[in-house]
Amino acid sequence: SAVISQKPSRDICQRGTSLTIQCQVDSQVTMMFWYRQQPGQSLTLIATANQGSEATYESGFVIDKFPISRPNLTFSTLTVSNMSPEDSSIYLCSAGGQGDEQYFGPGTRLTVT
Amino acid sequence: GQNIDQPTEMTATEGAIVQINCTYQTSGFNGLFWYQQHAGEAPTFLSYNVLDGLEEKGRFSSFLSRSKGYSYLLLKELQMKDSASYLCAVHYYNNNDMRFGAGTRLTVKP
Repeated sequence: SAVISQKPSRDICQRGTSLTIQCQVDSQVTMMFWYRQQPGQSLTLIATANQGSEATYESGFVIDKFPISRPNLTFSTLTVSNMSPEDSSIYLCSAGGQGDEQYFGPGTRLTVT
Repeated sequence: GQNIDQPTEMTATEGAIVQINCTYQTSGFNGLFWYQQHAGEAPTFLSYNVLDGLEEKGRFSSFLSRSKGYSYLLLKELQMKDSASYLCAVHYYNNNDMRFGAGTRLTVKP
């Protein structure tokens, strides 16, 4: 199994600012993903973080709002840009091998005021 | 579409058995995951069904029927700590993509 850490664990940010969330995996993984979980709801996939190329975004999510980096097989970042209160959510990183189960990071709880 | 439906909430008694159903309207997927999520925590893996049938792991079992488009998670000998949300997710092999249901919030009462 993979152990995944995220930084920061939580943050309170002002409207209009940006926050970058880091995700670190303790071993090389093929696939890394970013999810959002709004209060009381299930997980929604934001994008697949591709190593060495642009991320693949799901419908409703765009690169300008959620730029993602993945410089290597163990690390990825998600930036939430020009934040509004609607972006208040938990952001989860997950990782796994091709066809394997996905493991989740502990999440980053973001509050936008 | 990939409609994945689960009951919103369930309540059961400590020591009892509970079955959480998940129905889906999708095809061409590799398998179906069940995750447990305690409030304020990340989801943790419970089971993964690729083939039809029942997979048993201790107190938890999961069942998949592709022809009928449904899965269930069976929890036996319920404990108070089993109070959590249970998420089913359809898994697509090609990109390791997972699509989650809304989750079922289970409350175990003494």
